[in-house]
Amino acid sequence: QSVLTQPPSVSGAPGQRVTISCTGSSSNIGPGYDVHWYQQLPGTAPKLLIYGNSNRPSGVPDRFSGSKSGTSASLAITGLQAEDEADYYCQSYDSSLSAFNVFGTGTKVTVL
Amino acid sequence: EVQLVESGGGLIQPGGSLRLSCAASGFTVSSNYMSWVRQAPGKGLEWVSVIYSGGTTYYADSVKGRFTISRDNSKNTLYLQMNSLRAEDTAVYYCARASIGTDPFDPWGQGTLVTVSS
Repeated sequence: QSVLTQPPSVSGAPGQRVTISCTGSSSNIGPGYDVHWYQQLPGTAPKLLIYGNSNRPSGVPDRFSGSKSGTSASLAITGLQAEDEADYYCQSYDSSLSAFNVFGTGTKVTVL
Repeated sequence: EVQLVESGGGLIQPGGSLRLSCAASGFTVSSNYMSWVRQAPGKGLEWVSVIYSGGTTYYADSVKGRFTISRDNSKNTLYLQMNSLRAEDTAVYYCARASIGTDPFDPWGQGTLVTVSS
């Protein structure tokens, strides 16, 4: 059961900027646990996109950026491209005994 | 190259058992935190279980008492023993690595589909 809330969908024209929010609570994002973001292209496994709130792994374009404030985090995609059409998930550690790792509800990005 | 390859999925009747495997290459399973994450058809990601480098294990409430995570250090392989399977366990199961509990999951395997149906 997801405890990180994301908008179900966002869309934008090629070249535009879109943002995805990820809202958590005092047991996950709030206490200072890092937020990570994953991109899941259709029919494939998730791939790490942003780690430690705002860091990009090698090979990830700088069009992708992340930030965190309080109990929320955001992923921004600038200069939207057709290949960015995918599902995006945030993830954080959760200190409650029943969770440990929690994912966001997921956001479908559509390129118009 | 760091890689994870899952196997063992398939069609199983409710109440049945299945064991998933996740073979690792390019790193040592026993030196890392290893997790299973699942994704029901058309749904989001759900963390299932983790085994720490020291051997401690944890489970999501939805599978506690039915699933067991383990590893074989000689084969550098992670396992998920799934018992008393239910229809709601139908999902693609991914294994993933994290160096410590708060690290991101990276890499992920390609996933293996488990379908629980009569």
